[in-house]
Amino acid sequence: DQQVKQNSPSLSVQEGRISILNCDYTNSMFDYFLWYKKYPAEGPTFLISISSIKDKNEDGRFTVFLNKSAKHLSLHIVPSQPGDSSVYYCAASGGYAGNNRKLIWGLGTSLAVNP
Amino acid sequence: DGGITQSPKYLFRKEGQNVTLSCEQNLNHDAMYWYRQDPGQGLRLIYYSQIVNDFQKGDIAEGYSVSREKKESFPLTVTSAQKNPTAFYLCASSYQGRQPQHFGDGTRLSIL
Repeated sequence: DQQVKQNSPSLSVQEGRISILNCDYTNSMFDYFLWYKKYPAEGPTFLISISSIKDKNEDGRFTVFLNKSAKHLSLHIVPSQPGDSSVYYCAASGGYAGNNRKLIWGLGTSLAVNP
Repeated sequence: DGGITQSPKYLFRKEGQNVTLSCEQNLNHDAMYWYRQDPGQGLRLIYYSQIVNDFQKGDIAEGYSVSREKKESFPLTVTSAQKNPTAFYLCASSYQGRQPQHFGDGTRLSIL
């Protein structure tokens, strides 16, 4: 039973345009969400996170939006660059302020940014 | 230059053998984790440790064992009881068990 779902296995965008990666979750106890970027044969690299007390968090070109009522979050990358091409994972954690140790991961979305 | 070091990067095991994957961190993090990733799958938690000499099973602990004798080190042993050990293994750590978790570059284990 997949508690964190990334329904688009792949996404292709043009350089300079916006990339929108989506993530849905089923467990209402999740209260902290993270996005990681991963290249083949490497470990995931943390990108950005959001607590359930917020609906938006921004860091440079990366913005994460959280819609708790819809149990949906999205990662926006603006503008997209070829170096952003990678697999992006959504992960969720439940517990007080994200201190629960366990992360539940989606299956990833492969983003290709074309020059 | 702080980080998490996993070794070796590639490891081969014969049927019936135990193998140990190394994970060392110099981030002064309290918590450490082991994950497994299979092709086309998300990461699944094997074991985690919040402090020295303490660890808990994750979702797929069967066939694996760990130890946490030092804060910096959290080795994972893949035993012969693990029937499908071929996978990409990732070690992570975090400060006081809080998010985010930071990852090493992984060890790919294959069966000969």
